[in-house]
Amino acid sequence: RKEVEQDPGPFNVPEGATVAFNCTYSNSASQSFFWYRQDCRKEPKLLMSVYSSGNEDGRFTAQLNRASQYISLLIRDSKLSDSATYLCVVTPGGGATNKLIFGTGTLLAVQP
Amino acid sequence: GAGVSQSPRYKVAKRGQDVALRCDPISGHVSLFWYQQALGQGPEFLTYFQNEAQLDKSGLPSDRFFAERPEGSVSTLKIQRTQQEDSAVYLCASSLGEGWWEQYFGPGTRLTVT
Repeated sequence: RKEVEQDPGPFNVPEGATVAFNCTYSNSASQSFFWYRQDCRKEPKLLMSVYSSGNEDGRFTAQLNRASQYISLLIRDSKLSDSATYLCVVTPGGGATNKLIFGTGTLLAVQP
Repeated sequence: GAGVSQSPRYKVAKRGQDVALRCDPISGHVSLFWYQQALGQGPEFLTYFQNEAQLDKSGLPSDRFFAERPEGSVSTLKIQRTQQEDSAVYLCASSLGEGWWEQYFGPGTRLTVT
């Protein structure tokens, strides 16, 4: 079983739609949580960190449920430019390296 | 300012050849990471340096993979006797240091082994 699991999609949505991505992680000691965005043939870039209290950045809302080991990302009013792969990322706990553990990614295609 | 740079951007190697991939991190970044990203997968951790010290190499898939960062800045990932399964994008990332979670990625080197 992979340490971080995501629905690979693709999610095909019309412009203006609201779309939600979910992710689960297996290591309860995981310490920090992020969503990264990766455009086709480009490097991953940090989209936002995820906190238990939930956090919002414009049209993007991220939520963490530590009890269920579940992370979500909500995108409202989708734009064509939101088309990309969204990677769920956790860091290991227990004093381990600051490495990032990535899910497979969820592909989003926003249609005009 | 300049981001993380990697060279070459593309590399085609015949099976059995040795390759060397270079990473120039952001100036002043203490931590440097290498990741391997296979087609359709998320990046997977290979190794981690803090300055010149290689603190974690648990992700290196075999002893054919070797990484170094001798002066605590530029890093080289070397793959000996390349195999077809080594075909992937190799990503380098740097961060300010321990406790700084945000990692900045380079554009990657796409390695194809024929």
